[in-house]
Amino acid sequence: TQLLEQSPQFLSIQEGENLTVYCNSSSVFSSLQWYRQEPGEGPVLLVTVVTGGEVKKLKRLTFQFGDARKDSSLHITAAQPGDTGLYLCAGAAAGGTSYGKLTFGQGTILTVHP
Amino acid sequence: GAGVSQSPSNKVTEKGKDVELRCDPISGHTALYWYRQSLGQGLEFLIYFQGNSAPDKSGLPSDRFSAERTGGSVSTLTIQRTQQEDSAVYLCASSLAGWGAEAFFGQGTRLTVV
Repeated sequence: TQLLEQSPQFLSIQEGENLTVYCNSSSVFSSLQWYRQEPGEGPVLLVTVVTGGEVKKLKRLTFQFGDARKDSSLHITAAQPGDTGLYLCAGAAAGGTSYGKLTFGQGTILTVHP
Repeated sequence: GAGVSQSPSNKVTEKGKDVELRCDPISGHTALYWYRQSLGQGLEFLIYFQGNSAPDKSGLPSDRFSAERTGGSVSTLTIQRTQQEDSAVYLCASSLAGWGAEAFFGQGTRLTVV
């Protein structure tokens, strides 16, 4: 069974601060995705990283995939109240009978105070 | 339809009753997932269907839970003899293929067992 450890579980910060969310595993993933979920909605994809060491930027969000494809991080610069939500990482299985199956981390609840 | 559709959106049932939750995935998506989410928590994997392969049922919490996917399209999650601890939001997601494809989520069914 592939597990993804996501940390921190809760994050409460002031507008303008920077933050980093981590996603770690002992397993190798073929790709890793980050989702954001708002209350009453299903998660929505932010980014997919595929290559070890890959860095992708989405405005103030920077995503990195570890060299060994076992971990990832999400960094938000100058957080805004609109960034508030549940952030989830998800790894796609690299092989076996459940190839491609997404395993989700437990999520990080981010609250950005004005 | 344009997205993943789940029904009902809300379900209140009495302890001990059986419930069926329905998921209509995006047409052509071969992979379908069911997850459970408790208030303010991450996603708990339940079951994964991929094409004609045997489903990955490793996340089903007990034998009271079962799921079917008919004709590679619509899926039904059945919970027998519901218990109060089954109360949660049940999310369905579908994707085009297993390898790192984006998962599109429905808005979920909020199940309350009283």
